[in-house]
Amino acid sequence: NAGVTQTPKFRVLKTGQSMTLLCAQDMNHEYMYWYRQDPGMGLRLIHYSVGEGTTAKGEVPDGYNVSRLKKQNFLLGLESAAPSQTSVYFCASSWVGNTEAFFGQGTRLTVV
Amino acid sequence: QQQVKQSPQSLIVQKGGISIINCAYENTAFDYFPWYQQFPGKGPALLIAIRPDVSEKKEGRFTISFNKSAKQFSLHIMDSQPGDSATYFCAASCMETGNQFYFGTGTSLTVIP
Repeated sequence: NAGVTQTPKFRVLKTGQSMTLLCAQDMNHEYMYWYRQDPGMGLRLIHYSVGEGTTAKGEVPDGYNVSRLKKQNFLLGLESAAPSQTSVYFCASSWVGNTEAFFGQGTRLTVV
Repeated sequence: QQQVKQSPQSLIVQKGGISIINCAYENTAFDYFPWYQQFPGKGPALLIAIRPDVSEKKEGRFTISFNKSAKQFSLHIMDSQPGDSATYFCAASCMETGNQFYFGTGTSLTVIP
């Protein structure tokens, strides 16, 4: 049972490049989330989804887009990467809201 | 505005001692308060959680104390062990805010043997 799997684990981008981070969960969870983690700032929610085909903005959505075409997958896109988007990105999922969230191992993204 | 404020930023405790991490929140609608533990290079994992209908919850060496009137909750780690050395995050959520989790800024705990 893999849980929450993030791809890739590491990536270096040049300013202005685009990329997509993939999150896959095998627990049939309804809710999925994308967070970024920066030193001294904890985890901040970028976007989340409460079910297949739905997305909503979190605390820091600017510069990111998401899609949830399949229940098990939640994609995070950066259209034009900026150095300020250098961070560790975590995907999480939960059965419903206000319950335990299961996190992936993280993606370390560096934008140069 | 930080929805959940966590302190201290770092904590050093001797083996066998008690580790205490505090969090305060603003939104009185919050109704789920989890604590997550994160080891280097790993994603956070749920340690223990509480809902506001109780003032305390204990699971092994880990206890959450909850003070609804003061809008504060804390994590107590009894008999702290070197293996407890990790970063701890408190969080809060509620339906009113779309069930988003608002996390504290984290506490880096080091337990000295």
